[in-house]
Amino acid sequence: EAQVTQNPRYLITVTGKKLTVTCSQNMNHEYMSWYRQDPGLGLRQIYYSMNVEVTDKGDVPEGYKVSRKEKRNFPLILESPSPNQTSLYFCASSSLPTGSFNSPLHFGNGTRLTVT
Amino acid sequence: DAKTTQPPSMDCAEGRAANLPCNHSTISGNEYVYWYRQIHSQGPQYIIHGLKNNETNEMASLIITEDRKSSTLILPHATLRDTAVYYCIGVGWSARQLTFGSGTQLTVLP
Repeated sequence: EAQVTQNPRYLITVTGKKLTVTCSQNMNHEYMSWYRQDPGLGLRQIYYSMNVEVTDKGDVPEGYKVSRKEKRNFPLILESPSPNQTSLYFCASSSLPTGSFNSPLHFGNGTRLTVT
Repeated sequence: DAKTTQPPSMDCAEGRAANLPCNHSTISGNEYVYWYRQIHSQGPQYIIHGLKNNETNEMASLIITEDRKSSTLILPHATLRDTAVYYCIGVGWSARQLTFGSGTQLTVLP
C-alpha cells in the first residue's frame, strides 16, 4: 500500500532532550516536506526537499534540522526541543512528474509532540 | 509564491452543493491550484487540482476563472462526512514552499 509513515504518533519529552521524528515513503517520491500545525495557524512548512541531498527552509525552520540521505526517508530532528515546539507535525511527499508539481501531496498520519 | 485567501467558515445543508471560494490573485502562470481537506487532526487529504481548465473527479469539481485569480471547489451533494477544513493552495516551481494557511471550516448541517 502506498503510504507515508511517521513515527512515533505521540511523543512527550522534556526541554533540551534531542529527538528525531522519522518519516518514510514507499512511492519513490522526489519531494518531501515537514509541516507543523498549531491552533489558528493552519499548516506551516518547516523544511522541504526536492530530492536526495537537497533540502530547503520553509516558513518556520528555526529549531529544526532535516536530512535526506535516502530518497525514501526524511527525518525531522529537534536538537534542543523547547515548549514552543509543542505541536502536531505532518510529513508529506509527492512525485515531480517531468519536473512539474502536477502531482498531489500524500500526508502521514501525524506526530503529536509535547515538550515540557 | 501564490498567496491564497479563503473565508474562515461556511455552512452547507446536507444534500446541497457546497461551493467553497478561494482568491489567488498573485498566482503565476505555471502554478497549479490544489485543494485539500483535513478532518479533525488527520493528515490532509487531496481533493482535486487544476492549472487552467475546470476539473472534475469523483469527489468534487474545480472551477478556475479565466484570469486564474480565483477558483471555486464544488462538492455536489455534501454529506455530514464532508465537514472538514478545506485548504486551497497555489503550487509550482516558484512556489515550492507549500504554505497552507488557515483554510475554510466547512460544516455540513443535517
